Amino acid sequence: KQEVTQIPAALSVPEGENLVLNCSFTDSAIYNLQWFRQDPGKGLTSLLLIQSSQREQTSGRLNASLDKSSGRSTLYIAASQPGDSATYLCAVADYNTDKLIFGTGTRLQVFP
Amino acid sequence: GAGVSQSPRYKVAKRGQDVALRCDPISGHVSLFWYQQALGQGPEFLTYFQNEAQLDKSGLPSDRFFAERPEGSVSTLKIQRTQQEDSAVYLCASSLRGVRTEAFFGQGTRLTVV
Repeated sequence: KQEVTQIPAALSVPEGENLVLNCSFTDSAIYNLQWFRQDPGKGLTSLLLIQSSQREQTSGRLNASLDKSSGRSTLYIAASQPGDSATYLCAVADYNTDKLIFGTGTRLQVFP
Repeated sequence: GAGVSQSPRYKVAKRGQDVALRCDPISGHVSLFWYQQALGQGPEFLTYFQNEAQLDKSGLPSDRFFAERPEGSVSTLKIQRTQQEDSAVYLCASSLRGVRTEAFFGQGTRLTVV
């Protein structure tokens, strides 16, 4: 059964720091991996999608990498800003079940 | 529409009441998913539609939960005889075709059963 884990569960950093959020999954049979952002009381906003054949994707200050064989993905946020404060969720599109399976998220706080 | 729309945004139900949650997917998206998110947790899969066909309902927690998408567009998630443990955020997502394509989520409906 596919399981997705995110570390750390929470992170508090000063503005301007570069930071890395980690996501690991137990079964490498995936179609893709998606990173989402969730603000308190809101839905999920898609940030980046990496296909299983890709190694990384970039959007602005965000860069996501995927190492499918080791079951890992990282989300790199450059020059963090207070507006980046949110919960970040990763989800894998599981090949065996055809489902998006989520981690429990990393709650990020960036303080001025 | 521009994005996935869910209504109502908030719902308070008395225990035992029936509720209906609505999801309007992005126009042209074949696939529609319902997820349940408990406080502090990641979303958990409930059910999946491809057009009007419900292909997977393995995540529905009990037979009190029922979902439909009769015309392959708008979907409704119905919960009968609500219980306190049903309190959660219910998220709807749509995609062009299944999980192989990018999923877009709505704002969710926060259900509180009192």
